[in-house]
Amino acid sequence: KAGVTQTPRYLIKTRGQQVTLSCSPISGHRSVSWYQQTPGQGLQFLFEYFSETQRNKGNFPGRFSGRQFSNSRSEMNVSTLELGDSALYLCASSLHSGKGREQYFGPGTRLTVT
Amino acid sequence: AQSVSQHNHHVILSEAASLELGCNYSYGGTVNLFWYVQYPGQHLQLLLKYFSGDPLVKGIKGFEAEFIKSKFSFNLRKPSVQWSDTAEYFCAVNVNSGGYQKVTFGTGTKLQVIP
Repeated sequence: KAGVTQTPRYLIKTRGQQVTLSCSPISGHRSVSWYQQTPGQGLQFLFEYFSETQRNKGNFPGRFSGRQFSNSRSEMNVSTLELGDSALYLCASSLHSGKGREQYFGPGTRLTVT
Repeated sequence: AQSVSQHNHHVILSEAASLELGCNYSYGGTVNLFWYVQYPGQHLQLLLKYFSGDPLVKGIKGFEAEFIKSKFSFNLRKPSVQWSDTAEYFCAVNVNSGGYQKVTFGTGTKLQVIP
């Protein structure tokens, strides 16, 4: 099976712009979670989608949003970019959204905000 | 809210040395526990997991972890590390929060193994 894919792999944006990141989960996986990874902060949970519904949300401002399509592909959008949004954004898919779910991670999108 | 602590941020070991990375979590209910590893330039991948049963779990590449409920700990161990174990290691906890499953990661421990 193909793994989790994320596009683009690298992005450079300017403060104030918006950005959309894409994630394609492993075939058959219906849950997609997004994380922000920064040095010293580790992985911080953004949100999880399951069957096109947001199931859970982390403590990020409303500038961060996402959605999931019927084929389980997910997009994450960040509006009005700030310098502090520079990070590696990871997408993880799992078979379901239940207890003990094992997540499979993509390579990430490296976002740099200048 | 639950939290996960990895107290060792950076560990340097010589090859063949024994490894123990600490992971403590704060949550009083039922948890599922994971260790993930991120090798340089590679994706995060699952090293091992604990759902229930035997508190000593074995993972890939000779790693193991012990769940000690009374200490809220899930420390990762390996008897003899190799240079190829150089990576960043993340502990994660999955809990039921408000009816939803929520995964919280620790801040990671960078392991450097010197040949």
